[in-house]
Amino acid sequence: EAGVTQFPSHSVIEKGQTVTLRCDPISGHDNLYWYRRVMGKEIKFLLHFVKESKQDESGMPNNRFLAERTGGTYSTLKVQPAELEDSGVYFCASSQVRGLTGELFFGEGSRLTVL
Amino acid sequence: AQSVTQPDIHITVSEGASLELRCNYSYGATPYLFWYVQSPGQGLQLLLKYFSGDTLVQGIKGFEAEFKRSQSSFNLRKPSVHWSDAAEYFCAVGAGTNFGNEKLTFGTGTRLTIIP
Repeated sequence: EAGVTQFPSHSVIEKGQTVTLRCDPISGHDNLYWYRRVMGKEIKFLLHFVKESKQDESGMPNNRFLAERTGGTYSTLKVQPAELEDSGVYFCASSQVRGLTGELFFGEGSRLTVL
Repeated sequence: AQSVTQPDIHITVSEGASLELRCNYSYGATPYLFWYVQSPGQGLQLLLKYFSGDTLVQGIKGFEAEFKRSQSSFNLRKPSVHWSDAAEYFCAVGAGTNFGNEKLTFGTGTRLTIIP
């Protein structure tokens, strides 16, 4: 069974450009989460989808970030325009059940470098 | 608001020695507690979790953790480390079955180096 896959693994862009990160959750997992780790700091929650609906987007830093999950399958996270402080590793995770009793499966992350 | 503190940024341990990674949390109710590990080039993998019941929980790869409510701690232990345990370890807390709040709050991580 395929795990959570993320693309690209590493993206280098200049300030002001746009980047789109993609996450393919494990098949059948309705819950999809985005997290971010800025260099040397803690991993922070960004948002949570249940199928195609945004359940919780309280962690989204500002309106330069747009997350979508059309059809309830894969998700994209777009940063437009990118700023230097957006650099970090963006993790996607998925789970089959609501709440935290079900295991959360993480992808390897997409490293974003903004120059 | 919930928070997690991992006071040790980097720990170096000899292969075969015992290990304890510290984790302190702040949360108003009974927390759900987790330890994750990230090996180089991999995603985060769940080592173990605590929801309720026995405060000593066993996980994968020979790890265990003990929940101590009085100390707000959830330290991770292993009696004898292997070179393959070199990785970064993250402690996390969550609000449990609150379907309105399913996010995890992570600590800053502890990087473990194993020396021969």
